This record gives sequence, structure tokens and C-alpha cells, in this order.
Amino acid sequence: QVHVVESGGGVVQPGGSLRLSCAASGFTFSDFGMHWVRQAPGKGLEWVAVIAYDGSKPYYADSVKGRFTISRDNSKNMLYLQMNSLRADDTAVYYCAKDLSVLATISLFDYWGQGTMVTVSS
Amino acid sequence: EIVMTQSPATLSVSPGERATLSCRASQSVSSNLAWYQQKPGQAPRLLIYGASTRATGIPARFTGRGFGTEFTLTITSLQSEDLAVYYCQQHNSWPTFGQGTKVEIK
Repeated sequence: QVHVVESGGGVVQPGGSLRLSCAASGFTFSDFGMHWVRQAPGKGLEWVAVIAYDGSKPYYADSVKGRFTISRDNSKNMLYLQMNSLRADDTAVYYCAKDLSVLATISLFDYWGQGTMVTVSS
Repeated sequence: EIVMTQSPATLSVSPGERATLSCRASQSVSSNLAWYQQKPGQAPRLLIYGASTRATGIPARFTGRGFGTEFTLTITSLQSEDLAVYYCQQHNSWPTFGQGTKVEIK
């Protein structure tokens, strides 16, 4: 059974940093691209970043480019999101999501974690 | 960026009735369109991809149609457990979501 579990959220001051983690199990992690998707309180969904199955081709939404870094450790079945220069509008629940396609990235999200809340506030 | 627009914002439907949700893309996304269901307090769940293919375990009462810029999600015989916000998402280019349609049970 596929499971993805996020951790690392919390309260941080504007300009601060935070590192989110996502632990995956129940599937061959190294065969699938992985994404971060966020949802501001009471708002819709916003795709944040993707990384290919082999750790290549990280891509970012314009809203986070240059501030966030996505990475993965296939030996540990872990996905990460390093968030720097945080702003109030980064406040959201951050979801880790598995891509549907094997050995390709098509940006369809077939399994999601329960999310971790990030609050940027002074 | 491809902008996805959903309508209506809220849909109130009686149990057993049909619900039809619409999604429009600002430019053609071919059939690269997905629908997600998000129940209160839960993560989204993939319902439909490729505009019309049901994801694993999704009941047959959920049907997706469309191509290009116009898409619909139909829920036949609405059940109380279908109370949720439904999002469309294009994956023809960098993924973008619609703003959601909230389905209420009348």
C-alpha cells in the first residue's frame, strides 16, 4: 500500500528557512517522479516543484523559483523541499505527491500525503 | 501559464440527482486534463485523468468528458459522501489547477 508522509512544517519568521521531508513507502520510489503541491488556508491547489525519478530535472513554479530547492534520496525513499527567504504568501499546507507515470514525469498526482502546515509570520 | 476556470463555484444537489461541473482552459490542453476530489480535512484524491479515464478504485458514477478547452465532470446519482471540492488540473504544460467547485448536498 502506497504511503507518503510529510514532516518538517512549523512557524517561521519572514525571511527564514525551513526544510520539509516526505517519507515514501509501498512502491518503488526510484521509479517515479515526485512533486510538492501547496494549498494556502481556504484556497485552491498550487503546484510548487517536481523532481524526476533519478533526481534530475528539478523544476519550479515561478512563485518559488530561486528560493526553494527540491531534492530526493532514493536510497532512503525520501523527498525534500528546502525553503529559503520565506514570505507570508508561502503560508500553506504542503503536500508531497507521487507522479502517476513510471520512469517519466507527466504531472498527474495519484497519491498524496496528508500535508504539513507551514506558517510564515512574525 | 494555462489558466483553468471552473464553474459554478458552488453546486447544491439533492441525493440521487446528477451534478455537472465545468472546467475551461485558456488554451488547448488536448486531453491532458485531470479531476481531483478533496473532502473536508483531507488531501486531494485523483478521480479522472486523460479527460475521461477513471483512476483506480473510482466508482463508475464519476464520468469525465471533453477535449481541447472545454471539460465536464458528471456525478450521476450523487451520494452524501460526494460532498467535497472538485478541482480540474491540466498537465499539458506546467501543471495548473482550477479554483475548485464545491459540491453541497441539498
